[in-house]
Amino acid sequence: EIVMTQSPATLSVSPGERATLSCRASQSVSSNLAWYRQNPGQAPRLLIYGASTRATGIPARFSGSGSGTEFTLTISSLQSEDFAVYYCQQYNNWPLTFGQGTKVEIK
Amino acid sequence: QVQLVESGGGVVQPGRSLRLSCAASGFTFSSYGMHWVRQAPGKGLEWMTIISYDGSNEYYADSVKGRFTISRDNSKNTLYLQMNSLRAEDTAVYYCVKSGGGSGSYPNFNWFDPWGQGTLVTVSS
Repeated sequence: EIVMTQSPATLSVSPGERATLSCRASQSVSSNLAWYRQNPGQAPRLLIYGASTRATGIPARFSGSGSGTEFTLTISSLQSEDFAVYYCQQYNNWPLTFGQGTKVEIK
Repeated sequence: QVQLVESGGGVVQPGRSLRLSCAASGFTFSSYGMHWVRQAPGKGLEWMTIISYDGSNEYYADSVKGRFTISRDNSKNTLYLQMNSLRAEDTAVYYCVKSGGGSGSYPNFNWFDPWGQGTLVTVSS
């Protein structure tokens, strides 16, 4: 099983500032990596797939990068709805696995 | 637009069974792999199982293998999850999720998009 490790566990950022989230895979997942945002009480929403492709309707302030074992999600200017929990997920091997999540909170 | 609506959750005693359903609309259901993903209260996301577009392939997480069975009825645009021998640790919100780009036979293209609203299963005596 591929283990996905996200860091940090919690990130404190002011509105309008930049946030950088990391995700590391225990073995290469190529570019088969997705990112999701989950707001309280809601289902997760796809942000990025293929490590760097924004999903339909996702604003340009979200960008993804990386390949192999190291990945980054960058939110260029945090809006109120971006204070949430973010998960990475690999889809290179069965079983599909998620990171444990990074909570982005208001500083 | 794509809609996934889960039903069938509730409170069940340990060792008993429950079947979840997911009604799909707004896309060609028979062309996509479909997943179940769960989230225990206050915890992260756990992928559980996938069924390929035609039902010919299934994969399971070790935590539910042998107890849970995924199935689909393409004539009814409906996905199912049969859960047997339920345990307290199966308590979670269960999400029905469409494969982002894949038929479900291989892991590639299996990002999750979109998600249903979820149905809560509580296993308790």
